[in-house]
Amino acid sequence: DAGVIQSPRHEVTEMGQEVTLRCKPISGHDYLFWYRQTMMRGLELLIYFNNNVPIDDSGMPEDRFSAKMPNASFSTLKIQPSEPRDSAVYFCASSLAPSGGVWEQFFGPGTRLTVL
Amino acid sequence: KQEVTQIPAALSVPEGENLVLNCSFTDSAIYNLQWFRQDPGKGLTSLLLIQSSQREQTSGRLNASLDKSSGRSTLYIAASQPGDSATYLCAVSSGNTGKLIFGQGTTLQVKP
Repeated sequence: DAGVIQSPRHEVTEMGQEVTLRCKPISGHDYLFWYRQTMMRGLELLIYFNNNVPIDDSGMPEDRFSAKMPNASFSTLKIQPSEPRDSAVYFCASSLAPSGGVWEQFFGPGTRLTVL
Repeated sequence: KQEVTQIPAALSVPEGENLVLNCSFTDSAIYNLQWFRQDPGKGLTSLLLIQSSQREQTSGRLNASLDKSSGRSTLYIAASQPGDSATYLCAVSSGNTGKLIFGQGTTLQVKP
């Protein structure tokens, strides 16, 4: 398996532009998570999906952020309009349903976003 | 609200030393605890996962322990090598969600 795939790996954009980050989870995984990593706040969960349905979006910082999962093999995280404070590394992770006390998440390589 | 703390924030040791990284959490109602490794500019690699019913897990030179009652976990690295240099992150998941709460990490440097 190729693991969790994210694109692009790096994105540089100007303030006010729309940014779309993409994720392909591991085949067969039921859950998909979006995290953001910054120096100040560390790693934080933004939103997660179960069987393509958003379950908890309480970590989404503002209405400028939106996430979709149109099918089991693809998810997007969109920021519109982008702001310099959105600069961070965005990680996607996926997992199977929890079983037998194990709920293990597997992370993609991340997208490093810079908003000028 | 679950909070995860890792001490120390940074650690520098000579090659060959055994070392311990610490992680503490405030709410003992966890589903499991994961230790990750992150290399500069890279993603997260899962090292060990400890179920809430377990006391420890081992993988090669790594051993992770869990004491739920005291809200603590340790990651023991035996005979450290320069290739172990990275940031180590501890994360706990709560009982009814998959949400991982991360510590700020310990950045380890192993000098040859």
